[in-house]
Amino acid sequence: GNSVTQMEGPVTLSEEAFLTINCTYTATGYPSLFWYVQYPGEGLQLLLKATKADDKGSNKGFEATYRKETTSFHLEKGSVQVSDSAVYFCALKLNTGFQKLVFGTGTRLLVSP
Amino acid sequence: GAGVSQSPSNKVTEKGKDVELRCDPISGHTALYWYRQSLGQGLEFLIYFQGNSAPDKSGLPSDRFSAERTGGSVSTLTIQRTQQEDSAVYLCASSLEGTSGRYEQFFGPGTRLTVL
Repeated sequence: GNSVTQMEGPVTLSEEAFLTINCTYTATGYPSLFWYVQYPGEGLQLLLKATKADDKGSNKGFEATYRKETTSFHLEKGSVQVSDSAVYFCALKLNTGFQKLVFGTGTRLLVSP
Repeated sequence: GAGVSQSPSNKVTEKGKDVELRCDPISGHTALYWYRQSLGQGLEFLIYFQGNSAPDKSGLPSDRFSAERTGGSVSTLTIQRTQQEDSAVYLCASSLEGTSGRYEQFFGPGTRLTVL
């Protein structure tokens, strides 16, 4: 089946630290990969996505590269801010017709000043 | 409206009671999805509506769960005879259409359901 595994949190960092949140996937086809973010009290928002191998998604200083050989889509940011504190979800969706989003369990990021 | 809206934002109910959760998708979006976010379980797909087609109910966990979408717009998720394990945040999302897989799903803020 299709599944997403991401690192357990919380991840606690100081402001300006480097961030990596690991995500690996298992899929029966060739999925698109996503990172969603949920800020406190808000709905889930798409952060970035990549639709094929070697694509790099980027937004708001965050990046993730679709690695088919390692079935990974790790989220990185060079210098985190307090405002990045949120829960981050890795997800996949197969590209054939309707396919539901399959999410990881989420990783909470806490950034302190 | 500007985004997907859901009501109520919070619902506390007693075990055995029925509850209805409402979702208003973005105007013009033909695809609508329900997901459930349980503690420690991540987000699980529940049901998908596309236009006037029969919904994909493959994610509904039991026959106590049902959903309708009236007039291709507003959707109601109904949970009958609620159980404590139904406690979760129920998220609704919509997209321009769903069959091509190309369009982003936009999520509402969710309804937090607590079953006592």
